[in-house]
Amino acid sequence: AQSVTQPDIHITVSEGASLELRCNYSYGATPYLFWYVQSPGQGLQLLLKYFSGDTLVQGIKGFEAEFKRSQSSFNLRKPSVHWSDAAEYFCAVGPNSGGSNYKLTFGKGTLLTVNP
Amino acid sequence: DSGVTQTPKHLITATGQRVTLRCSPRSGDLSVYWYQQSLDQGLQFLIQYYNGEERAKGNILERFSAQQFPDLHSELNLSSLELGDSALYFCASQGYRGYTFGSGTRLTVV
Repeated sequence: AQSVTQPDIHITVSEGASLELRCNYSYGATPYLFWYVQSPGQGLQLLLKYFSGDTLVQGIKGFEAEFKRSQSSFNLRKPSVHWSDAAEYFCAVGPNSGGSNYKLTFGKGTLLTVNP
Repeated sequence: DSGVTQTPKHLITATGQRVTLRCSPRSGDLSVYWYQQSLDQGLQFLIQYYNGEERAKGNILERFSAQQFPDLHSELNLSSLELGDSALYFCASQGYRGYTFGSGTRLTVV
């Protein structure tokens, strides 16, 4: 069965510092990969996704993620964190099969705190 | 605005009661997915409907049911509610433009 592991439950960084959030997945084949962000009391906003091709994916708000097949990882990075980036971040995987069955499996999330 | 509408945004009800959550997908999207987000279980897939038919089932309790209507909106029915059902319930819509979440319904069972 597919699973997603986000090893860091809570990360604190200073504003302006770089950020890396880790995500490892277990899947039968190369899945579709996603990062979502959730601000308190809000819904899920898609930051970026990987379907195929270039393993370095650019997203919104200055985020990027790198797919490493050999490590089954899809880590999220940002070179300089802003206070508004404080939120919870979720990594998710979905089937790389197209079609109409597209349930996502989510990690438990990483809560990001940004210190001024 | 994601284009996926969920109502109500908040719901407070007592144990043993029944509630209905509603989701209107983006225009043209045929698939609706329901997810539950709770503190202990995280985000879990409940059920998927595609063009009115149940397509996939996840960790959905027997007390919960869903349906998708001809106009493609979907309803998630939760009955015999327990304190542990308190959670944020999301629906997501999927079509040729991709996968988009609504803003969720926060259910509090007291």
